[in-house]
Amino acid sequence: GQNIDQPTEMTATEGAIVQINCTYQTSGFNGLFWYQQHAGEAPTFLSYNVLDGLEEKGRFSSFLSRSKGYSYLLLKELQMKDSASYLCAVTESGYSTLTFGKGTMLLVSP
Amino acid sequence: DVKVTQSSRYLVKRTGEKVFLECVQDMDHENMFWYRQDPGLGLRLIYFSYDVKMKEKGDIPEGYSVSREKKERFSLILESASTNQTSMYLCASSFGTAGGVSYEQYFGPGTRLTVT
Repeated sequence: GQNIDQPTEMTATEGAIVQINCTYQTSGFNGLFWYQQHAGEAPTFLSYNVLDGLEEKGRFSSFLSRSKGYSYLLLKELQMKDSASYLCAVTESGYSTLTFGKGTMLLVSP
Repeated sequence: DVKVTQSSRYLVKRTGEKVFLECVQDMDHENMFWYRQDPGLGLRLIYFSYDVKMKEKGDIPEGYSVSREKKERFSLILESASTNQTSMYLCASSFGTAGGVSYEQYFGPGTRLTVT
């Protein structure tokens, strides 16, 4: 089976930096996805990590450590529109399916 | 632009009714998925399909069935709706896995189903 943990809620201030952690335990780990989901909307793809290290995409970066079963999503220069749920999901080798964590609700305040 | 559409945004059905949820994608994706999303439980996979007429059970298939007669269309069927199937249903699609690489899933807008 798979076990994915991420914090339920986080709060941060506009302009700040926030790090959302995700730990996982899974057999046959292949890669890790991060999705953003605004209330009442569909999840949208943010990043995909397969190799160890940091992937940067504008204000968002994602990090993976395969040996530690750990990933984080780093959001810089927070904006009010970043208030959303952030979903961590893992995929296994040879499979197209994703197993999602329960999501982290991020609230950005002025 | 990838587009995944779902037949309804909101649906209200009575207990025992047969319910059809339709999903269509326009990106020629091999894979299609049905999830339900509930507060505190996250996204859970119900069924998926990696080709026409092929289907695989996900983590919570009980009470559901699916149909994929055409590549672009994937239907979720609730044979006899029950109140515990009240939920947000999300459809997604993606390219098939190749060379050990997984591809991102594109999600539809969701159908909020209420069973009374």
